[in-house]
Amino acid sequence: QKEVEQNSGPLSVPEGAIASLNCTYSDRGSQSFFWYRQYSGKSPELIMFIYSNGDKEDGRFTAQLNKASQYVSLLIRDSQPSDSATYLCAVNGATNKLIFGTGTLLAVQP
Amino acid sequence: DTGVSQNPRHKITKRGQNVTFRCDPISEHNRLYWYRQTLGQGPEFLTYFQNEAQLEKSRLLSDRFSAERPKGSFSTLEIQRTEQGDSAMYLCASSTSSGNQPQHFGDGTRLSIL
Repeated sequence: QKEVEQNSGPLSVPEGAIASLNCTYSDRGSQSFFWYRQYSGKSPELIMFIYSNGDKEDGRFTAQLNKASQYVSLLIRDSQPSDSATYLCAVNGATNKLIFGTGTLLAVQP
Repeated sequence: DTGVSQNPRHKITKRGQNVTFRCDPISEHNRLYWYRQTLGQGPEFLTYFQNEAQLEKSRLLSDRFSAERPKGSFSTLEIQRTEQGDSAMYLCASSTSSGNQPQHFGDGTRLSIL
């Protein structure tokens, strides 16, 4: 079992719709959870982080965390073509290193 | 805040050569991390420093790889006797040491081994 799992996609949504990206992790001791956006050929860009169970909203983005289910998700409201990218879920446990999933490719269709 | 800076952006070299990459973290960040990313994969942790101390190294970091952060500011990652499998994007990230603060990435160095 991979430590952090994501559906590789592609996830295709029409412009203006809600995109829902999911991630599960195996280490129950994980403490911090991050979503990075990565455009092709570029480096990861931090878009959201969450530490506590529940929802955290920032603009069009909402991160959701359920530690009991070892599940973290990212919702993107009013999706735009510029949101088309790979979204990386990362988990940080007792050590400070980030463990990444393989990423989900999101395609927003105009 | 000028962000994390990495040099060079691209490096092409022949198998067997040595290469060195540099990372300048965000100025107030005392933690510095190196990751490696290959096509279709998420970044994989290599090593990290808090100030000048190297606190953790991945098993991925073979004896051909060495990283330094001599004055607790910039860091270098050296790969000796490069192999085809070393071709990847090498990413540097930095953060503060307050709890599990987010890591911010530089633009990366893309290494191609001929």
